[in-house]
Amino acid sequence: GGIITQTPKFLIGQEGQKLTLKCQQNFNHDTMYWYRQDSGKGLRLIYYSITENDLQKGDLSEGYDASREKKSSFSLTVTSAQKNEMAVFLCASSWDWGDSYEQYFGPGTRLTVL
Amino acid sequence: AQSVTQPDARVTVSEGASLQLRCKYSYSATPYLFWYVQYPRQGLQLLLKYYSGDPVVQGVNGFEAEFSKSNSSFHLRKASVHWSDSAVYFCAVKNNAGAKLTFGGGTRLTVRP
Repeated sequence: GGIITQTPKFLIGQEGQKLTLKCQQNFNHDTMYWYRQDSGKGLRLIYYSITENDLQKGDLSEGYDASREKKSSFSLTVTSAQKNEMAVFLCASSWDWGDSYEQYFGPGTRLTVL
Repeated sequence: AQSVTQPDARVTVSEGASLQLRCKYSYSATPYLFWYVQYPRQGLQLLLKYYSGDPVVQGVNGFEAEFSKSNSSFHLRKASVHWSDSAVYFCAVKNNAGAKLTFGGGTRLTVRP
């Protein structure tokens, strides 16, 4: 088995601040994802990456940057935090071949912007 | 583009009762379908998946789901729920490009003791 680790668990920022969230996986998966989950809502894809140094925009990429420095890690940057913003950011990973398409999720980073 | 609809945002049932959570999808080809569960303050965990074959698939903790191509549905069922099943349940369909998934809005299940 493997695990996905997200740091930090809780992130409190100020309006306009640049904030970085990190994700590590030891599944040796090819593809990694960042989702945003707002309270009581579904998941919206921000960015994904199919291999090291690759980046693909999701449905919600505006206001975010991402970086896939190596196969096991995927970072997300909130470029300018919005006041009163509250959301959970979920990282996931998966194979991208054969019949193994299920995504494995980390526990999330909870963002609060004051 | 594919989409997933979970028409019931909240469902409340009594412990021991049967359960059905509904999921409708829109996709042109034969889909790959998933049900995930999210317990409080945790990430999503896979309950079950359907790729092909028998339309009834078994998952963890007594859950099963039935794929219906004619109804474009993938409903989740459990014969007898436990209070620990209280969680948010998400239905998802695989995008035709790689492993990207499209998620429904989720159904929050509350099981009354």
